Amino acid sequence: AQSVTQLGSHVSVSEGALVLLRCNYSSSVPPYLFWYVQYPNQGLQLLLKYTSAATLVKGINGFEAEFKKSETSFHLTKPSAHMSDAAEYFCAVSTNTGNQFYFGTGTSLTVIP
Amino acid sequence: GAGVSQSPSNKVTEKGKDVELRCDPISGHTALYWYRQSLGQGLEFLIYFQGNSAPDKSGLPSDRFSAERTGGSVSTLTIQRTQQEDSAVYLCASSQGLTAETQYFGPGTRLLVL
Repeated sequence: AQSVTQLGSHVSVSEGALVLLRCNYSSSVPPYLFWYVQYPNQGLQLLLKYTSAATLVKGINGFEAEFKKSETSFHLTKPSAHMSDAAEYFCAVSTNTGNQFYFGTGTSLTVIP
Repeated sequence: GAGVSQSPSNKVTEKGKDVELRCDPISGHTALYWYRQSLGQGLEFLIYFQGNSAPDKSGLPSDRFSAERTGGSVSTLTIQRTQQEDSAVYLCASSQGLTAETQYFGPGTRLLVL
């Protein structure tokens, strides 16, 4: 079975500060991992995904995430937060044995000017 | 169309009534997913359609929930005898159906059961 845990339902950072959103997964088979972002009053859109190629994945808007098998983690980072990054972020896991996706409970990011 | 569309965008209904939610996926996408997003919760998987295969209904919370997909395109999620705990945002997503393929989400239908 697969599952995702996102530590911290709310994260606040100052504008220009490092953004770190945590995601840990559980999977009995090699996982595929995703980060989606949901801006206010908009649908979810893909930020980046890991599909067993490079462990450091770069996504849109300056975000990146690193797959660490030993830590079963896929944390999302951005060196310098912008006001426009304020949104809800969801981590998700899938596998090559099925097309079902398992989403975390989300982390709401607030950027303080 | 350019993206996944859902209708209605908002629905208010009385407890015990039936509701139908519609999803128009991206043209050519063979996979279609329904999720439920409740306040403070993540996205809860409900049902998954892939081409002409039997749908994966393992996420449907009760037999009051059902979904169909006609002609491999438009999908309708039906909730019978709605309850207040059914209040949530219902999201639809589609993809090309390949392993680990990106899902494209619609804007959702916000359902409020009074």
